[in-house]
Amino acid sequence: GAVVSQHPSWVICKSGTSVKIECRSLDFQATTMFWYRQFPKQSLMLMATSNEGSKATYEQGVEKDKFLINHASLTLSTLTVTSAHPEDSSFYICSARNPPGGGDTQYFGPGTRLTVL
Amino acid sequence: GENVEQHPSTLSVQEGDSAVIKCTYSDSASNYFPWYKQELGKRPQLIIDIRSNVGEKKDQRIAVTLNKTAKHFSLHITETQPEDSAVYFCAASPHTGANSKLTFGKGITLSVRP
Repeated sequence: GAVVSQHPSWVICKSGTSVKIECRSLDFQATTMFWYRQFPKQSLMLMATSNEGSKATYEQGVEKDKFLINHASLTLSTLTVTSAHPEDSSFYICSARNPPGGGDTQYFGPGTRLTVL
Repeated sequence: GENVEQHPSTLSVQEGDSAVIKCTYSDSASNYFPWYKQELGKRPQLIIDIRSNVGEKKDQRIAVTLNKTAKHFSLHITETQPEDSAVYFCAASPHTGANSKLTFGKGITLSVRP
């Protein structure tokens, strides 16, 4: 149980385009989802916390107009990187919380590798 | 906010030996401490976690200890195997509830030499 999927697993796009990444909890309802960014050989940096049906809470320094987050249902959250630039290239990972009995535990998706040319 | 420190950044052990990875945290209100294992290019996998109402938890070859007074917690891996080689992240969460969030350490690369 507690499986989280992400789609796509990798994407290459041109500078200036927008990219949407989906995060799904497959076998549980996630009241809260998190979006992280990870650069090579670095830690996970929280970008935003997403609660179903409400606006996301962004971490300091993360541009909310650039990284649009929508959590429209208890099993789906999306991250849209708008007007992507090469510096946005990174590994984006989501996590979901609230499987039955899971409490604080966060379960991670497999990540999406974004490359902006 | 919470600050989680993880040292050293790399650790190499001989297969069969034990490995100990230590983390410190700054926020005394933190009450949830998970450990994640991440292999190259893959998702972080929860391997064990501990809450502040206990001092130690064990799951087969893996154990975690927590010292709330000193604000540090450690991951212990016994009888290490080559497949234990990965990056290990500790994390801390200052409070429970819908808006609680994890603060991660920088990670340690564990190499198990065959």
